[in-house]
Amino acid sequence: TQLLEQSPQFLSIQEGENLTVYCNSSSVFSSLQWYRQEPGEGPVLLVTVVTGGEVKKLKRLTFQFGDARKDSSLHITAAQPGDTGLYLCALPGNQFYFGTGTSLTVIP
Amino acid sequence: DTGVSQNPRHKITKRGQNVTFRCDPISEHNRLYWYRQTLGQGPEFLTYFQNEAQLEKSRLLSDRFSAERPKGSFSTLEIQRTEQGDSAMYLCASSFEAPFIYGYTFGSGTRLTVV
Repeated sequence: TQLLEQSPQFLSIQEGENLTVYCNSSSVFSSLQWYRQEPGEGPVLLVTVVTGGEVKKLKRLTFQFGDARKDSSLHITAAQPGDTGLYLCALPGNQFYFGTGTSLTVIP
Repeated sequence: DTGVSQNPRHKITKRGQNVTFRCDPISEHNRLYWYRQTLGQGPEFLTYFQNEAQLEKSRLLSDRFSAERPKGSFSTLEIQRTEQGDSAMYLCASSFEAPFIYGYTFGSGTRLTVV
């Protein structure tokens, strides 16, 4: 059983389109992180969210932590080919669980 | 500091051989983590150290897997009697003691292929 389920698993869109990926769990978390991983590299931290209902923006990326702190979403506006990668949500902690991942491909 | 360094980047080995990977963390970080990742999936936690102490190793995949961090600096991950199912990317990460604030810094990984 996965602690963090992400959807969709795969997403292929045209440059300029908007998209949203989701991270869901049945458990409540004190904080959650989002990472992006490019092929052949390790994941890179994008953001940490800690407060229920919190919204954080990072240029064209908008992250939201659910009010009940059991889910999170990542919205990308006007996607670019450089956004291509594997997007991972994660629970920071001693064992640091990652979600199942969303593989995004942005086609020029 | 150049970040988390992992060596080698790629390793091809024959089934049954032993392999060892090295991770050099960011020097200020006292925590070090090992993960395994298969294609298109999220990383799977294996073990972690705080300084030289291995605080969690129950998630190591079998007794063929072992990790050390003898002086609280670099770490090694050894896989004995490799099997084809061990083929994966092995990632190392380091952090301060409050990773929920500062996050984790990952290396580029070691890609293992067992033939």
